[in-house]
Amino acid sequence: EVQLVESGGGLVQPGGSLRLSCAASGFTVSSNYMSWVRQAPGKGLEWVSVIYSGGSTYYADSVKGRFTISRDNSKNTLYLQMNSLRAEDTAVYYCARDLYYGSGSPFDYWGQGTLVTVSS
Amino acid sequence: EIVMTQSPATLSVSPGERATLSCRASQSVSSNLAWYQQKPGQAPRLLIYGASTRATGIPARFSGSGSGTEFTLTISSLQSEDFAVYYCQQYNNWRAFGQGTKVEIK
Repeated sequence: EVQLVESGGGLVQPGGSLRLSCAASGFTVSSNYMSWVRQAPGKGLEWVSVIYSGGSTYYADSVKGRFTISRDNSKNTLYLQMNSLRAEDTAVYYCARDLYYGSGSPFDYWGQGTLVTVSS
Repeated sequence: EIVMTQSPATLSVSPGERATLSCRASQSVSSNLAWYQQKPGQAPRLLIYGASTRATGIPARFSGSGSGTEFTLTISSLQSEDFAVYYCQQYNNWRAFGQGTKVEIK
């Protein structure tokens, strides 16, 4: 059974950093394209970043230069390093598996999400 | 950047009735369009991809249609568990979501 479990969210001050983790089971993270998607409180969904099976990474303009997506193949875990956090980064962050290998894809499996709150 | 616009923002429907949700893309996305259902406190669930292909385990009362810039999600006979927020997502050019349509009980 495919499962994605996020962790690492919490309260952080503006300008601070946080690293989110997404532990996968039932499939191999490194063989798939994996994304982070976020949802601000009461708002819609926003794609944040993707890492390809080959290791290439891409980001939404809103987080480029501040966030870094990575993975640990030995732990079958996806990460999102978030630096220079802003109030507008406050959201539930979901990791999700891309259904396709391509520059665009729907997401067939999602984690339960982890809440990041940026506030002083 | 492709902008996805969903309408209406809220749809009030009685159980057993049909619900029709719309999604429009600012430029053609071919058939690279997905629909998701999200209930409060839960992650989104993939319903439809390729504009009209139901994902694994999705009931036949959910159907998708359209191509290019105009898409529709139809729920043929609303069940109690279908009241939720629905999002469309294009994946023709990276990934972008619509703002959602809330389907509420009339």
